[in-house]
Formats: sequence, C-alpha cells, structure tokens
Amino acid sequence: QVQLQESGPGLVKPSGTLSLTCAVSGASITSTNWWSWVRQPPGKGLEWIGEIYHSGSTNYNPSLKSRVAISVDKSKNQFSLKLTSVTAADTAIYYCARYRVVVDAARVDYYGLDVWGQGTTVTVSS
Amino acid sequence: QSVLTQPPSVSGAPGQRVTISCTGSRSNIGSDYDVHWYQQLPGTAPTVLIYGNNNRPSGVPDRFSGSKSGASASLAITGLQAEDEAEYYCQSYDSSLRSYVFGSGTQVTVL
Repeated sequence: QVQLQESGPGLVKPSGTLSLTCAVSGASITSTNWWSWVRQPPGKGLEWIGEIYHSGSTNYNPSLKSRVAISVDKSKNQFSLKLTSVTAADTAIYYCARYRVVVDAARVDYYGLDVWGQGTTVTVSS
Repeated sequence: QSVLTQPPSVSGAPGQRVTISCTGSRSNIGSDYDVHWYQQLPGTAPTVLIYGNNNRPSGVPDRFSGSKSGASASLAITGLQAEDEAEYYCQSYDSSLRSYVFGSGTQVTVL
C-alpha cells in the first residue's frame, strides 16, 4: 500500500521560506510516476503547485514559479518543496500526491493524483 | 479565477441524479487532455473519483461516471446518497500555462 506523509514546520514567518518534505512508502520514487504538491487555502479550492520526476525534471505553476523549488532525494525515497518569500496568502493545507503514470509497451495511461498525503497545515504569521 | 469553471453548488434528493460540469477551453480540455475528478470529504484529503475522463478506480461505485465533449467535461452521480455530500474538483492540463489546473470546485448537497 502506497503512503505519503508530509512533514515540516507548521508556522513560517512572513518573507521566510516554507520547507516541506514528503516521505514515500510502499513504492519507489524512481518509478514512472510524477510526484506533486497541491495546496488548499482555508475555505478555498485546490491549487496545483508543481511536480517532479525522479530524474529531477520539474514543472511548476506559473503563478508560483519564481518562488518555488521541488527536489527529490532518491536515497531517502522522498521529495521536498521550498517556497520562498512567503506571505499570509501562502497559508494553506499543503498536500503531497502521486500522479500515477503507467507505461506499457507503446501505451501511456494517466491515472491522475491517485495517492495523497493527509496534508499539513502551514500558517504564515509573525 | 480558475481556468476550469464549475458551478459552486449542486443539490439533489437521495436517489436522484446530479451532474457537475467542468468548462474549459481549447488550451486544456478542448485540446484532448485528460480530465480527472476528485472527491473531497470534509476535513480530509481529496481522492480520485474518475481518471482519464471516464474511468473509475477500483472501489469507486459505478454510481459515479465521467464524460467529456469538446472543451467541457461532466461528472454524474446517479442514485445520490447522503455520503456523497462533498466537494468535487475537476483537473486537467493547460498547454498555454504549461501547468495542471483544478476546477473551482462544486459542493454537492444531499437534501
């Protein structure tokens, strides 16, 4: 059973850097899947932050691209999120998730974000 | 403002059929990118309900179905049940933004 677990500080000061890690268990981070971050401000909808492949290739939400970096640590089977210059608008529940991709011969199937962490609340406040 | 537009809320009586629309554009759903649907129960992480436009993961009841036509997609719930009260989100890829995008979300209420 694949499980994802977010960890990191729950409180970050304005203008500081938000750093979170997602530990993956039950699956190898070097599989054909992409590993994603999604956030949800209080009382609002989901916002896709970005994703990483085990090779280090990344894709980011253009609205956050100048402030975000996602990295992978294959030795620890985990991936991380850094968001710089945070403001109160970055207060949210942060989820890590697996975007499942299955490659079979000449066919590639996309299964969406099929496994999610429980989420971790990050508050930006002094 | 979300790139994918969903109605803020839909409601129905138990047993009824409700549909949730997800309206995009030529740069996302209209470009034949897959649409996925997620259900988020109060206080929990989202779970995938429909992937690849119309496929249900194992364990998802066949009361849930997805479809896509042109630049729009829909999620239908037949035989509405009390436990279906939740927020529902569509997701697709946008080639102009080079980014995945979520819909604005729809709250389903069972009357």
